[in-house]
Amino acid sequence: NAGVTQTPKFRILKIGQSMTLQCTQDMNHNYMYWYRQDPGMGLKLIYYSVGAGITDKGEVPNGYNVSRSTTEDFPLRLELAAPSQTSVYFCASSPTGLAGVGGEQYFGPGTRLTVT
Amino acid sequence: AQSVSQHNHHVILSEAASLELGCNYSYGGTVNLFWYVQYPGQHLQLLLKYFSGDPLVKGIKGFEAEFIKSKFSFNLRKPSVQWSDTAEYFCAVNAAAAGNKLTFGGGTRVLVKP
Repeated sequence: NAGVTQTPKFRILKIGQSMTLQCTQDMNHNYMYWYRQDPGMGLKLIYYSVGAGITDKGEVPNGYNVSRSTTEDFPLRLELAAPSQTSVYFCASSPTGLAGVGGEQYFGPGTRLTVT
Repeated sequence: AQSVSQHNHHVILSEAASLELGCNYSYGGTVNLFWYVQYPGQHLQLLLKYFSGDPLVKGIKGFEAEFIKSKFSFNLRKPSVQWSDTAEYFCAVNAAAAGNKLTFGGGTRVLVKP
């Protein structure tokens, strides 16, 4: 199993451009998450999904959109990129909800995004 | 809203020293607790987790953590660190009432000098 894969690894955007960060997992996990990581701030949840067709907002959803058409894929869309979205983005998946024996999250390698 | 505090942003140790990283959370109800580690250039990996039962939890690579409910704490410990423990460590909390969301602390960067 490849686990959780993310593309691209690095990207530089100009202000106002849009892009989609790709996330795929091959573990048949129902739960998927998008986080952003900023220095000294830990990880902040952007959006999450508990299954195909179901998504919900996290702590910092503004400026982002997601969709979950399949179990495997959970792309994150940035519309009208802003410098405040410069960050490292991590996708994660989990086989069950967090309050269970299997409730740990498996993380992808991250996408480093710079908006200038 | 729940919050998670990690007291030390940076820790520098020599090999064989003992390590203790503090983690406190603000939620008063049932919680599930996690410690993740991020080695340089790598993605986050789970070190250990607590759901219920024995409040002293043992994880991988000789790490352990103790849940003290009365102090809202989940401190991470390792009796003798190695250079390879150089990493950033994150405490994370899931409040049962929050569903399937994790709240992360700000992280502690640990540098172990050989």
